[in-house]
Amino acid sequence: NAGVTQTPKFQVLKTGQSMTLQCAQDMNHNSMYWYRQDPGMGLRLIYYSASEGTTDKGEVPNGYNVSRLNKREFSLRLESAAPSQTSVYFCASSESNQPQHFGDGTRLSIL
Amino acid sequence: AQSVTQLDSHVSVSEGTPVLLRCNYSSSYSPSLFWYVQHPNKGLQLLLKYTSAATLVKGINGFEAEFKKSETSFHLTKPSAHMSDAAEYFCVVRMDSSYKLIFGSGTRLLVRP
Repeated sequence: NAGVTQTPKFQVLKTGQSMTLQCAQDMNHNSMYWYRQDPGMGLRLIYYSASEGTTDKGEVPNGYNVSRLNKREFSLRLESAAPSQTSVYFCASSESNQPQHFGDGTRLSIL
Repeated sequence: AQSVTQLDSHVSVSEGTPVLLRCNYSSSYSPSLFWYVQHPNKGLQLLLKYTSAATLVKGINGFEAEFKKSETSFHLTKPSAHMSDAAEYFCVVRMDSSYKLIFGSGTRLLVRP
């Protein structure tokens, strides 16, 4: 009963490097989300995917791209990492208007 | 504009005493409201949700919250704190028929032995 699985759990990058964060859910949910969490700011939505084949920008999309590979998987890509993207990234999934289920996060540091 | 305010960034209680975490929201619509808990190095776990049914909502681990429309509040309570309750708590609002969640800034609960 894995729920939402994120890989990797930790990563350190140098400025300018690229990286893809992976997310997979096994609950057959249609909707998936990527958030970032910064101290004192709660979670902010980067991108979301209402269903397979669709993606839309959230509150803070600049510097990121996403791919909804299939119903299970939703990846987040940083093409050219910047120190301002140092954060904890959470993937979530949900069915329709039901509560979202969250992964354990990816802790990303950019030097 | 919709917003969520958690009135305390930190709350400290002794084990066995009551817990009160405060949340106020502003919304032009009938919101759905949630409380999530986050333990260190973990994701967010749903504690409870309000979706326009009973105004007093019971959640997991003995927590409950009361929706008060006149006060635009959704405070989280627990009669007796346990050491395992130490975590960060987020109040979250979702507008009807919307995917979008608005998160409060979080309240860190410390439980003293």
